[in-house]
Amino acid sequence: KAGVTQTPRYLIKTRGQQVTLSCSPISGHRSVSWYQQTPGQGLQFLFEYFSETQRNKGNFPGRFSGRQFSNSRSEMNVSTLELGDSALYLCASSLSPGNTIYFGEGSWLTVV
Amino acid sequence: KQEVTQIPAALSVPEGENLVLNCSFTDSAIYNLQWFRQDPGKGLTSLLLIQSSQREQTSGRLNASLDKSSGRSTLYIAASQPGDSATYLCAVKNGANSKLTFGKGITLSVRP
Repeated sequence: KAGVTQTPRYLIKTRGQQVTLSCSPISGHRSVSWYQQTPGQGLQFLFEYFSETQRNKGNFPGRFSGRQFSNSRSEMNVSTLELGDSALYLCASSLSPGNTIYFGEGSWLTVV
Repeated sequence: KQEVTQIPAALSVPEGENLVLNCSFTDSAIYNLQWFRQDPGKGLTSLLLIQSSQREQTSGRLNASLDKSSGRSTLYIAASQPGDSATYLCAVKNGANSKLTFGKGITLSVRP
């Protein structure tokens, strides 16, 4: 069956702009989580959604937001982009919180 | 606050060697621990998930063990191959509804 799908895979944005990243989980998975990966900080948790409800939120500013739809697809949005937001953004899904999680290939965001 | 450490950051071994990758965590009250593999520029691939009640899990040439009391997990790779070259990350969940806390990973290079 299809894995976790993230779009777009690569994008370049200018400081001050906003960006929306999309994630389609594995069919049947209702839990979706987002992570930011940078060389310096490693993998940092952004947020987790289960059945359209945000269950957990990481230590990121309010410019980072997300949502989950009734079909379990999820989006995350970053407003007023800063150079430091350049990173690989990874989405992961699982049947429910606590189960094995499966990652997508990620969205590479470069802010110039 | 849970902290996950993986040392060393990089490891180079000749093909055929059996090797052990270490992961330590500060809070032993974990829900589960998961090992992942990441190839350059790619997302994470789940390797093994160990629930808190388990001592080890095996998949092919991989064996992961968990010792909660000492705050340690090891990933054993038997008969290493060049195709095993990647970054290996461990991640800990402290509760079913809590986030995953990742280590910085160990970059493994298996020389032909």
